[in-house]
Amino acid sequence: EDQVTQSPEALRLQEGESSSLNCSYTVSGLRGLFWYRQDPGKGPEFLFTLYSAGEEKEKERLKATLTKKESFLHITAPKPEDSATYLCAVQAGRAGGTSYGKLTFGQGTILTVHP
Amino acid sequence: DAGITQSPRHKVTETGTPVTLRCHQTENHRYMYWYRQDPGHGLRLIHYSYGVKDTDKGEVSDGYSVSRSKTEDFLLTLESATSSQTSVYFCASESSRPGANVLTFGAGSRLTVL
Repeated sequence: EDQVTQSPEALRLQEGESSSLNCSYTVSGLRGLFWYRQDPGKGPEFLFTLYSAGEEKEKERLKATLTKKESFLHITAPKPEDSATYLCAVQAGRAGGTSYGKLTFGQGTILTVHP
Repeated sequence: DAGITQSPRHKVTETGTPVTLRCHQTENHRYMYWYRQDPGHGLRLIHYSYGVKDTDKGEVSDGYSVSRSKTEDFLLTLESATSSQTSVYFCASESSRPGANVLTFGAGSRLTVL
């Protein structure tokens, strides 16, 4: 059974205080690992997809990295507008396979950035 | 971004009544999904569709049925709602283009079953 565990459950930072969120996973063949951001009362919004160990992707103050067992979402010099719940999800299968978007999600990390 | 709209956004109903949630997308995406989100459980897949009239069960499908008569519409039905189905329901769609396997989510439908 595919499993995703995110830590910490909640993280409070001061503006400008860099940190990392962790996503540990077990999956029967990783087709992709996804990071989403979710604001209160809204649906998840796509941030990154990582496909293989060693891959990194960046977007503004966010950087996602991937190893064979976990992924990190690094937040550099965060601002209050970065406050949200960050969700990690894995898609099992192989490239070109038919697992579609059957994602297994972690429970999320609630990030609060204080000014 | 795909245009995905869900209706209703909020609904309160009583145990035993039928409920239908609607999802409409305007991007001609082939794949569509229904997830529920509950504290302590994260997002869990209920049902999904890989084409018109082609659907299959997800992780938590008991008590739910779906239908997809047109590419753009995906309906989730609770035949007889129970309190355990109180949740926030999210619809998502995905393009079938290679390399575009990213789910785009709707804003959610909050269902309360009394």
